[in-house]
Amino acid sequence: SAVISQKPSRDICQRGTSLTIQCQVDSQVTMMFWYRQQPGQSLTLIATANQGSEATYESGFVIDKFPISRPNLTFSTLTVSNMSPEDSSIYLCSVDFSGKETQYFGPGTRLLVL
Amino acid sequence: KNEVEQSPQNLTAQEGEFITINCSYSVGISALHWLQQHPGGGIVSLFMLSSGKKKHGRLIATINIQEKHSSLHITASHPRDSAVYICAVLQGSNTGNQFYFGTGTSLTVIP
Repeated sequence: SAVISQKPSRDICQRGTSLTIQCQVDSQVTMMFWYRQQPGQSLTLIATANQGSEATYESGFVIDKFPISRPNLTFSTLTVSNMSPEDSSIYLCSVDFSGKETQYFGPGTRLLVL
Repeated sequence: KNEVEQSPQNLTAQEGEFITINCSYSVGISALHWLQQHPGGGIVSLFMLSSGKKKHGRLIATINIQEKHSSLHITASHPRDSAVYICAVLQGSNTGNQFYFGTGTSLTVIP
C-alpha cells in the first residue's frame, strides 16, 4: 500500500489569489494524478503528472490555470491560479503503481473560494 | 449522456442485508475501478477489474466486458459500509488514458 499526504487539508481563499497544493507519497511512483470533485459531483481528472515531463491535461483544463510540478518520483504540486468561487472543490491526488492493480488516493484538499 | 451510469443513486439498507450497486458504461475500457468515499472526502480504491470477478472480504466485484456492465456486492452489510461508492472506467488510447467517473451511489446502512 501507499501513504499519501496532502497539504493543506483545507483552505479558504480570496478571489483572484492562487493556492498551491502539495502531494507527498511515501514511495516512488511513476504516475501521479490530480482530480477535482466539485460539490455534489463525482471526480474529474484534471491532469496526469509524470516525472521528467510536462503534465498531460484533460479536456477543459489548461496549464495556465492549473500548473503542475513533478520534481521527483514522490512529490507533486498542483496550483489553482487566479481563483474564483467556481474553483471551490475538493482536490485529490492519486498514484498508480506500475504493475499493481490498485490506485491510491490522498485525503484531499478542501478549497473554498470567497 | 454520461459515459458511466450508476444505479441506484441512493440506497438505504438494514444491517446484514446483501447490497448490489450497478455500473454500466458506454466506452471501450482497459480497466474499471470501484472507489469508496467516506464522509470527509477520503477515497479508497476497492477494486480494479479488467475481467471476471474479484473478492475482498465482504466485497465482491464482477465485470462483464461484452455487456459493458459491472456490479459491486456487499454481503452482510454493516453501518461502517455507509459511504459513496464510485465506479470509474479507464479508457486507454494512443493519445493517453482517459478516466470516466460515475456520479456515485450513496449507501446508508442502518443498524
